[in-house]
Amino acid sequence: GENVEQHPSTLSVQEGDSAVIKCTYSDSASNYFPWYKQELGKGPQLIIDIRSNVGEKKDQRIAVTLNKTAKHFSLHITETQPEDSAVYFCAAARPQGGSEKLVFGKGTKLTVNP
Amino acid sequence: GAGVSQSPRYKVTKRGQDVTLRCDPISSHATLYWYQQALGQGPEFLTYFNYEAQPDKSGLPSDRFSAERPEGSISTLTIQRTEQRDSAMYRCALNPAEAFFGQGTRLTVV
Repeated sequence: GENVEQHPSTLSVQEGDSAVIKCTYSDSASNYFPWYKQELGKGPQLIIDIRSNVGEKKDQRIAVTLNKTAKHFSLHITETQPEDSAVYFCAAARPQGGSEKLVFGKGTKLTVNP
Repeated sequence: GAGVSQSPRYKVTKRGQDVTLRCDPISSHATLYWYQQALGQGPEFLTYFNYEAQPDKSGLPSDRFSAERPEGSISTLTIQRTEQRDSAMYRCALNPAEAFFGQGTRLTVV
């Protein structure tokens, strides 16, 4: 089955700097790659996703890149702010009869220092 | 919002007891997913429903775990003869690809 590796497990940056989180996956049939932000005491919230027919997607300060050949994808957050501090999860899913059965990475705890 | 309401928010149970967790969609939706999230880990897929059908329950850790969605709306997850390793957050979502996960039920088995 699919295996998703995520790193780093913790990341500390200064406010205004960029943060990059990287994930690799094993199943070449996976074609959907979402990223979630989880704040303390809350459920994971989808922040951006990418499908395998594109290489990059951007939404304001966040962007995701996908390299299908190398089977890795990354989350980029620019101009970080303290409110970006949270645990971020990557995930991967393959087409499976209409369901989105996600396999998650272990998470990255991002701390943005003011 | 999350699109689902889960209850109870917290459940403490003794080892060996059965527990039932509930997921109540705020609006109707064909799919409903259950995930287990251990402390410090990412969510792990348990099972999902398409209306009342349960096409995939491959993530259920053992036959002590079962889920139902008899009318294609509210779903329950039952864990029989609970063990300490079942302690985790249990979250449901209508479609993880689109929206939030629910706030979940934190289960603690003592």
